Amino acid sequence: SSELTQDPAVSVALGQTVRITCQGGSLRSYYASWYQQKPGQAPILVIYGKNNRPSGIPDRFSGSSSGNTASLTITGAQAEDEADYYCNSRDSSGYHLVFGTGTKVTVL
Amino acid sequence: QVTLKESGPVLVKPTETLTLTCTVSGFSLSNARMGVSWIRQPPGKALEWLAHIFSNDGKSYSTSLKSRLTISKDTSKSQVVLTMTNMDPVDSATYFCARIRIDDYGVDVWGKGTTVTVSS
Repeated sequence: SSELTQDPAVSVALGQTVRITCQGGSLRSYYASWYQQKPGQAPILVIYGKNNRPSGIPDRFSGSSSGNTASLTITGAQAEDEADYYCNSRDSSGYHLVFGTGTKVTVL
Repeated sequence: QVTLKESGPVLVKPTETLTLTCTVSGFSLSNARMGVSWIRQPPGKALEWLAHIFSNDGKSYSTSLKSRLTISKDTSKSQVVLTMTNMDPVDSATYFCARIRIDDYGVDVWGKGTTVTVSS
């Protein structure tokens, strides 16, 4: 499969926990990476591999995976976490990349 | 510090060929663990992977755009070039180049992007 599906939008109260999911057949074979994108900016990598955070990414961001679904969890969401979030992974061939449809996270 | 910077035309006409250059610094295009990807994003839409190239000159292209894309690199100049033929207004987008890790295909450093408009 070459598609990764995400919910279009989710909202979370300040300080609460939100989980964003990404579904696709290739996720049974490959881990997803997750990116945060704020308006007018390039995406930044927030989670990669099994559950790894690049330097500088707060530990309130975590990743997990089960079957064909990968998840990004923000525990204790902050106002600055309001952004679009994209997952990506290899496709089923293993040689191509595919991005998810994106999820807009609103912090209330 | 790792940086990538895209350059190219702001405006192209329909049917023309787009040539974009990504100039990298802080890492070498001969690094066996790294490559460079091109990714685009139409206004208000999702990210779309286009192509990537690795140090061994291994290349991959989006299946839907493969016939129109060519990616190449000049290691001595630290540049990766993407060409896209037969441009159409639907190709108007912000085009990003970014570093990709061969181990997990994580895209860990992104350029700021360059906006291309296709219009006559």
